[in-house]
Amino acid sequence: GENVEQHPSTLSVQEGDSAVIKCTYSDSASNYFPWYKQELGKGPQLIIDIRSNVGEKKDQRIAVTLNKTAKHFSLHITETQPEDSAVYFCAASETSYDKVIFGPGTSLSVIP
Amino acid sequence: GAGVSQSPSNKVTEKGKDVELRCDPISGHTALYWYRQSLGQGLEFLIYFQGNSAPDKSGLPSDRFSAERTGGSVSTLTIQRTQQEDSAVYLCASSTRVSGSGWGKNIQYFGAGTRLSVL
Repeated sequence: GENVEQHPSTLSVQEGDSAVIKCTYSDSASNYFPWYKQELGKGPQLIIDIRSNVGEKKDQRIAVTLNKTAKHFSLHITETQPEDSAVYFCAASETSYDKVIFGPGTSLSVIP
Repeated sequence: GAGVSQSPSNKVTEKGKDVELRCDPISGHTALYWYRQSLGQGLEFLIYFQGNSAPDKSGLPSDRFSAERTGGSVSTLTIQRTQQEDSAVYLCASSTRVSGSGWGKNIQYFGAGTRLSVL
C-alpha cells in the first residue's frame, strides 16, 4: 500500500521568510496530492492540491511542486505570517476515490 | 451549519467503559472516514465508508473498535473496554467526488474532533 513520508517534522521561520515542506510517496499509481493545514483545536482543512499531470500549482503565497519520476512533492509558503503557524499534512491518493494516505505532519512556527 | 459535526467534543471515561463517538457528515457526501490523532502525532486511519460498499476496516487497531454508518449518513465509532492508550482526538471527515476533465478527486472535510480521555 501507499506510504507517505514528510520532512521536517518541525520547522521554525522568521516572519517574512519562506518555508518548504517536502514529502515522498511510494505508490506510483497515486496521482492526486492534497495538502491540509490543521490549526490548534481544529480539524485539518484542504489548502491546495495538485494532480499528477501538473508539475506546479500556485495560489497566492502557497505553491506545490510535484516530481512524479522521483515520487516527491513539496509545499512552498512565501512571505510567511504568524497565522501560517499550524501543522501541515501532505497526502496521496488515486483518483479512483480510494482513501487518502496522510504524511506524519510538519509543525510550522512563524516567529514574529 | 453545513460542516461536519462531531459529538461530544470532549469525553472523559474510566478505563474499561464503552464509549460512542458520533459523526454527522456533510449532507450528500458519500464517503466518511474516521482517524485517530494522538497528542502531537499525525492522522492514523481507522475506517472508511464509501456509499453502499463494504467498509475498509483495515486501520482499526483491535476488535474493541467498531464503526457503523446508518442510512449512508450518520456514523458512530464505538470503543469497547477502553484503555488508557485509547486517549486521543478522534477525527471524522466526509468527502464527495469532484469531477472534471476525466479526473476525480476526494476533498475531505473534517470535523473538529472528539477529545477522548481515558482515566
